[in-house]
Amino acid sequence: GQQVMQIPQYQHVQEGEDFTTYCNSSTTLSNIQWYKQRPGGHPVFLIQLVKSGEVKKQKRLTFQFGEAKKNSSLHITATQTTDVGTYFCVQNTGNQFYFGTGTSLTVIP
Amino acid sequence: NAGVTQTPKFRVLKTGQSMTLLCAQDMNHEYMYWYRQDPGMGLRLIHYSVGEGTTAKGEVPDGYNVSRLKKQNFLLGLESAAPSQTSVYFCASSYTWRIWLDSPLHFGNGTRLTVT
Repeated sequence: GQQVMQIPQYQHVQEGEDFTTYCNSSTTLSNIQWYKQRPGGHPVFLIQLVKSGEVKKQKRLTFQFGEAKKNSSLHITATQTTDVGTYFCVQNTGNQFYFGTGTSLTVIP
Repeated sequence: NAGVTQTPKFRVLKTGQSMTLLCAQDMNHEYMYWYRQDPGMGLRLIHYSVGEGTTAKGEVPDGYNVSRLKKQNFLLGLESAAPSQTSVYFCASSYTWRIWLDSPLHFGNGTRLTVT
């Protein structure tokens, strides 16, 4: 079942501030995926991390996979109002994908 | 391509009624999933399928049944709806589970179900 804890649950930031959400697991993860869900929408895939210590960037978004493959983070630099939504980390355990509880980001203009 | 299509978009049921949610994908994906989303709880896996004619239980399967008679369709049934099944239901599909390939979940737009 679900083994990935995600913090914080909610985050309010002023536009232009940075934002970080964290995923933590008690067990070693084979990989981690990140998704974004806009209000009223469905989750949309952002990225997948597989290797220990892996860092990937997408414009203002930086994704990291911990050295021990037990944690991951998503960092957004200089948030914009378009970043509003809920960010989920997702554990793939073979045939099944388990979602973290998500971090809801509000950006105040 | 339409991707993943869910019908209906909204539904209101009375306790004890039954219904079927339909999910259709046109991407030739092997794997299909049903999730429910409740406030503060993320998405929880109900049932999934690894191919035509196969189904398996996820985290929260009780009160639901599924069928995958055709590769492109995955049906979710509620035999006797309960208020606890009020939720948003998402269907998703993926090409493969193999972790060395980028094979994300592709989601439908969801079905908002209310049971009174």
